[in-house]
Amino acid sequence: ILNVEQSPQSLHVQEGDSTNFTCSFPSSNFYALHWYRWETAKSPEALFVMTLNGDEKKKGRISATLNTKEGYSYLYIKGSQPEDSATYLCAFYSVNQGAQKLVFGQGTRLTINP
Amino acid sequence: DAGVTQSPTHLIKTRGQQVTLRCSPKSGHDTVSWYQQALGQGPQFIFQYYEEEERQRGNFPDRFSGHQFPNYSSELNVNALLLGDSALYLCASSVGRVSYNEQFFGPGTRLTVL
Repeated sequence: ILNVEQSPQSLHVQEGDSTNFTCSFPSSNFYALHWYRWETAKSPEALFVMTLNGDEKKKGRISATLNTKEGYSYLYIKGSQPEDSATYLCAFYSVNQGAQKLVFGQGTRLTINP
Repeated sequence: DAGVTQSPTHLIKTRGQQVTLRCSPKSGHDTVSWYQQALGQGPQFIFQYYEEEERQRGNFPDRFSGHQFPNYSSELNVNALLLGDSALYLCASSVGRVSYNEQFFGPGTRLTVL
């Protein structure tokens, strides 16, 4: 069974503070790692698609790193704002005996307190 | 540019019934994937359609079937509904058969089985 684990499950952060959370995935047969942001009552929105070990990607105040050898990715948010409140999902692209699929973690629910 | 649309938004069915959910992909996209999100879990991959054929399938029973039309829109059908089928069903579109491309999600259809 392929497991993608995210921690913590939920997080409350004061506005202006920086925060980070983790996605753990299998270190073998790596193809890609996705991060999505899912705001309440909206559709999940892609933040990053990461494919190379050591990759670092940035979009505004949000950045992500990738370590495929040890099987983890970090998502960082600098200077949190109320609009950052959302569930952040990571997804590991799995290829197993020809079968391909995105396997999602359960998400980290982030709440920014004003 | 219209994003991914899904219909209906909400649906209530009883056990044993059949349901059809619909998805229109983002303009220019030719691949549609379906996911089931149960409460407290991440989205789980059901199947993917490309060129009107089911190309990949997750661990879902044959009660779950689908179709893709020449205009790339797609349907998800679930037969003999069970209480456990109650979930949010997400449709995602992308370009090309390779699943690790960025996915664009619709807002989902909330299915309740009584």
